[in-house]
Amino acid sequence: NAGVTQTPKFQVLKTGQSMTLQCAQDMNHNSMYWYRQDPGMGLRLIYYSASEGTTDKGEVPNGYNVSRLNKREFSLRLESAAPSQTSVYFCASKWTGTWGQYFGPGTRLTVT
Amino acid sequence: RKEVEQDPGPFNVPEGATVAFNCTYSNSASQSFFWYRQDCRKEPKLLMSVYSSGNEDGRFTAQLNRASQYISLLIRDSKLSDSATYLCVVALGGPSAGSYQLTFGKGTKLSVIP
Repeated sequence: NAGVTQTPKFQVLKTGQSMTLQCAQDMNHNSMYWYRQDPGMGLRLIYYSASEGTTDKGEVPNGYNVSRLNKREFSLRLESAAPSQTSVYFCASKWTGTWGQYFGPGTRLTVT
Repeated sequence: RKEVEQDPGPFNVPEGATVAFNCTYSNSASQSFFWYRQDCRKEPKLLMSVYSSGNEDGRFTAQLNRASQYISLLIRDSKLSDSATYLCVVALGGPSAGSYQLTFGKGTKLSVIP
């Protein structure tokens, strides 16, 4: 099992460019999450998907969109990147009915 | 008031020492509590859940005081490999709830020194 995988690992964008961060899990988890982690801020929830076909906003959704493509995949899209979106992005997943979330290795994004 | 507060540290302790981390949370409706560990430039990993009765996993002991809204983690006989940032995490909603979300503290950095 690969667990939770994320692509790309690193990305540099110019202000105004768009991109999609990909996340996939092979653990048959129902729920998936996108977080960002900034120095001194801790992890903050951007969007989550409690089950296939549903998505909901988290604490900091502005500037992002998500797609739960199927049970395995949950993508995060930046339509028009801004320097404030420079961060490390983590995807996570879990089974319904269990507590712990499993995290992917993260994507380090820099917007110049 | 921040939802989950932790002392950022760093805590620099010698090998073999006992070290304790504390955390407070603001939402009294919080239902579940965890400690995660995050190594430098890596993803967070679940270390242990925290139960009201207290729980132990090897050298690690976690305690929860719901009345004071306080969570603690005790590490005994510290190893070099314990060096990491420890994240206090609180959840609203049960694990089957569609609205289940984790709120993370900013973390406490531990360095275990030879």
